[in-house]
Amino acid sequence: QKEVEQNSGPLSVPEGAIASLNCTYSDRGSQSFFWYRQYSGKSPELIMSIYSNGDKEDGRFTAQLNKASQYVSLLIRDSQPSDSATYLCAVRLVSSASKIIFGSGTRLSIRS
Amino acid sequence: GAGVSQTPSNKVTEKGKYVELRCDPISGHTALYWYRQSLGQGPEFLIYFQGTGAADDSGLPNDRFFAVRPEGSVSTLKIQRTERGDSAVYLCASSPGSDTQYFGPGTRLTVL
Repeated sequence: QKEVEQNSGPLSVPEGAIASLNCTYSDRGSQSFFWYRQYSGKSPELIMSIYSNGDKEDGRFTAQLNKASQYVSLLIRDSQPSDSATYLCAVRLVSSASKIIFGSGTRLSIRS
Repeated sequence: GAGVSQTPSNKVTEKGKYVELRCDPISGHTALYWYRQSLGQGPEFLIYFQGTGAADDSGLPNDRFFAVRPEGSVSTLKIQRTERGDSAVYLCASSPGSDTQYFGPGTRLTVL
């Protein structure tokens, strides 16, 4: 089992709709979770971090965490063409506090 | 302000050669990470520095890979006897000690 798993996509969403991206992780004790956005040919950039169960909102982005189910999600409201990118879920392992493990990413395409 | 910089941006080498990849972190950032990213995959953890010391090098794939950060700032990733399978984008990220990682633009390594 991979430590961080994501559906590779591509996920196609119409402009203005809600895009929902999902991630599961295997390290039950993990406490820190991150969503990164990576445009083609560019480096990852942090969108959101979340540490507690529940929802965390920042503008059009909402991160959701359920530690019991070992599940993290990212919702993007009012999707824009500029949101088309690969979204990477990352988890800081409890077994090694310094190591942040990334999933393989979900490719999101916003269609006009 | 200046972000993380990596040199060279591209490196083409022949199988069996030695290469060095350099990372200049954001000034004052104590934590520095090296990742490797292959096409269609998320960043793969290689090594983490806190100050001058390698706090976690468990991601280095074998003893051909080595990294240093002698003065707690610039870091160099060294790869001996390169193999075609080493071809990837090598990413460096620095952090002020929080969870936020700032990635450099990466070095694209091609081993012929």
